[in-house]
Amino acid sequence: SAVISQKPSRDICQRGTSLTIQCQVDSQVTMMFWYRQQPGQSLTLIATANQGSEATYESGFVIDKFPISRPNLTFSTLTVSNLSPEDSSIYLCSVDSTGSGNTIYFGEGSWLTVV
Amino acid sequence: QKEVEQNSGPLSVPEGAIASLNCTYSDRGSQSFFWYRQYSGKSPELIMSIYSNGDKEDGRFTAQLNKASQYVSLLIRDSQPSDSATYLCAAEYGNKLVFGAGTILRVKS
Repeated sequence: SAVISQKPSRDICQRGTSLTIQCQVDSQVTMMFWYRQQPGQSLTLIATANQGSEATYESGFVIDKFPISRPNLTFSTLTVSNLSPEDSSIYLCSVDSTGSGNTIYFGEGSWLTVV
Repeated sequence: QKEVEQNSGPLSVPEGAIASLNCTYSDRGSQSFFWYRQYSGKSPELIMSIYSNGDKEDGRFTAQLNKASQYVSLLIRDSQPSDSATYLCAAEYGNKLVFGAGTILRVKS
């Protein structure tokens, strides 16, 4: 399985600011994804991070709020902009290590609290 | 709308018993299904994946898939207190995962 590192693991941010989360994978992967898990909820896909092109966002998520970068096949960042308390969540990076959608692993997650 | 449904629980079983977790999905187009375990304060951990009708066994875990009924289940044999966690069922649609809300499992010693 792929080893996925996320930074920061936890952060407390002031409303109105932004937080950038980094995801580093120990091998080249085609597909990288960003999920959000709000308190007590299940996981919701934010977007697919595409290498060399814009991310593909799911319904309800927009680039202005969640800009994503994917400069190469092992790294991606998610920025959560203009933070509000409703953005307090766990943000998870995941990868499809086989490229076929059949094996999907998660990073350790980034716990964000907005005050 | 692609949905995955799970009973939120909690499901309580005594130590040593079989825990049975169930999941249904709405879209027949999905071909791959996954079970994740999530401990409190941790990220989801992949337990098993299943793609074909029938049973798939891995140690104490057995995943079952019935595509005609759009039903996926996970059996945990000889349940241990360390199995207490939230179990998430996910269905794959076009390289994306749709998750259920999760079932809380409590194994009592």
